[in-house]
Amino acid sequence: KQEVTQIPAALSVPEGENLVLNCSFTDSAIYNLQWFRQDPGKGLTSLLLIQSSQREQTSGRLNASLDKSSGRSTLYIAASQPGDSATYLCASTGTASKLTFGTGTRLQVTL
Amino acid sequence: GAGVSQTPSNKVTEKGKYVELRCDPISGHTALYWYRQSLGQGPEFLIYFQGTGAADDSGLPNDRFFAVRPEGSVSTLKIQRTERGDSAVYLCASKLAGGADTQYFGPGTRLTVL
Repeated sequence: KQEVTQIPAALSVPEGENLVLNCSFTDSAIYNLQWFRQDPGKGLTSLLLIQSSQREQTSGRLNASLDKSSGRSTLYIAASQPGDSATYLCASTGTASKLTFGTGTRLQVTL
Repeated sequence: GAGVSQTPSNKVTEKGKYVELRCDPISGHTALYWYRQSLGQGPEFLIYFQGTGAADDSGLPNDRFFAVRPEGSVSTLKIQRTERGDSAVYLCASKLAGGADTQYFGPGTRLTVL
């Protein structure tokens, strides 16, 4: 059974800092790896999707990497802003496109 | 266009009662998923529909939980004899058929069982 772990559970950084969120998974037989953002009381918004054959994906200030062999993915956020404050979830996609989520990293970017 | 919608946004019920949670997927999306998110946890898979049929219901915790999608569009998650441990946010997602592309999530229904 796939298990997804995210470290750290919570993170507070001052505005402007670059930061890295970590995600690890136990079963490397995944179709892809996704990073989502969740704001309080809201649903999930997909940020980046990395196919199993890819190594990284970039969107604006976000860059996600994938190393299937080691079971790791990272989300890099450059020049953080207060509007980046949210919970970030990674999820692996298995059979039938079922997502297995980590417990999330709660990010706070302070002024 | 319209995203995934879920109703109600909040539901408070008493232990032992029956509840129904509704999901309206994005038009044309044949795949539909239900997840449950407990406080401080990531969402956990419950059930997956492809069209009208439940292709995978392995995540349903017990036989008090049931879901239907009779016309291949709207889905209803039904919970009988609710327990306090059922309190969570229930999320619905939809996607186009085929491939492992992204799922689009609704805002969720927060269920509180007193």
